[in-house]
Amino acid sequence: GNSVTQMEGPVTLSEEAFLTINCTYTATGYPSLFWYVQYPGEGLQLLLKATKADDKGSNKGFEATYRKETTSFHLEKGSVQVSDSAVYFCALLTQGGSEKLVFGKGMKLTVNP
Amino acid sequence: GAVVSQHPSWVICKSGTSVKIECRSLDFQATTMFWYRQFPKQSLMLMATSNEGSKATYEQGVEKDKFLINHASLTLSTLTVTSAHPEDSSFYICSAPKGVGGETQYFGPGTRLLVL
Repeated sequence: GNSVTQMEGPVTLSEEAFLTINCTYTATGYPSLFWYVQYPGEGLQLLLKATKADDKGSNKGFEATYRKETTSFHLEKGSVQVSDSAVYFCALLTQGGSEKLVFGKGMKLTVNP
Repeated sequence: GAVVSQHPSWVICKSGTSVKIECRSLDFQATTMFWYRQFPKQSLMLMATSNEGSKATYEQGVEKDKFLINHASLTLSTLTVTSAHPEDSSFYICSAPKGVGGETQYFGPGTRLLVL
């Protein structure tokens, strides 16, 4: 079946630290992969996505590369800011028939000044 | 960007009562909306797909008589938790896809339900 496994937090970092959030997936075929972010008090927002192997999604300084060989889509940012404090969800979009998003458990990140 | 709202943002109710949660797409039309449930420290679990003009499609293990879904218009879907019990306490989130392919989904801020 389809599933997403990601690092569980919570994680606390200092401003300007390097961030990596691991995400691996199990899926039939080659699904599209996503990172969603949920800021406090707001709904989930699409952060970035990749639709095929070796694609790199990027947005707001965050990057993730679709690695088919390792079935991974790790999220990275070289220098986090306080405003990056949020919950981050890795997700895949299932293929065939009705398309649905399958989410990881989410990881809460707190960035301190 | 597109906006999806939910109402109420949180609700406390007595066991045995029914609770209705609304999901609205504010600046676009959505023939399909999705309802998720999220437990603490758990991922979002898709409950059902709400379809305008037809019956909702429920995921395996979700009781359709317990969680009534009505897609009343192209901008409104409602989830009614009937005869709520404490185990129904959870965070309920809706989303609506915009554009071709459904990859771009816009999420509501969620509704926290507490059943006493």
